[in-house]
Amino acid sequence: EVQLVQSGAEVKKPGESLKISCKGSGYSFTTYWIGWVRQMPGKGLEWMGIIYPGDSDTRYSPSFQGQVTISADKSISTAYLQWSSLKASDTAMYYCARQKGGTAGRGSWFDPWGQGTLVTVSS
Amino acid sequence: QSVLTQAPSASGTPGQRVTISCSGSSSNIGSETVNWYQQLPGTAPKLLIYNNDQRPSGVPDRFSGSKSGTSASLAISGLQSEDEADYYCAAWDDSLNASVFGGGTKLTVL
Repeated sequence: EVQLVQSGAEVKKPGESLKISCKGSGYSFTTYWIGWVRQMPGKGLEWMGIIYPGDSDTRYSPSFQGQVTISADKSISTAYLQWSSLKASDTAMYYCARQKGGTAGRGSWFDPWGQGTLVTVSS
Repeated sequence: QSVLTQAPSASGTPGQRVTISCSGSSSNIGSETVNWYQQLPGTAPKLLIYNNDQRPSGVPDRFSGSKSGTSASLAISGLQSEDEADYYCAAWDDSLNASVFGGGTKLTVL
């Protein structure tokens, strides 16, 4: 069974750094793009970016470029999303998902999704 | 403001057929395929329709997708109470060089 298991909820203060994780299992981790999606409280889904763990090729949405860093460690089948200096506006649920079909985002879809990691940033 | 436009809400009674629309432009829906996701309350999104009209295994055939020009639609027939959820459309946008989601439609089963 293909599964993505994300790290647990985090509570941080503004200005702190954070790295959350997404571990894939049940498939060849290095041959599928992994994406990250943000959902702010009570709001819709936002595509943040994707990474190809095989060679760490990474693409970002213009809205998130420079705001976060997406990385992966293929030796442990894990993708990461990190912030160097959190803001209150980063408070959200973050989902990882495996990309299928297409190439580097175009013509592709997300399936399956991780369970989500809730990040709360508050002083 | 989402790049893809969806009505914020829709409703129907059990057994009814409802349609959820998603409007875009030539840089996204007009030139790319559309996917639909279902998000039940308190859970992660789940793939419902991919490549405009394809259903993943396990998704009931009550759910169907279509695309015409710069718009796409999700139809749910034989509406059931467990269909109450948020529904999101998504497509690649050539101008942004990124994927975009619609704002989501909250479906209520009356």
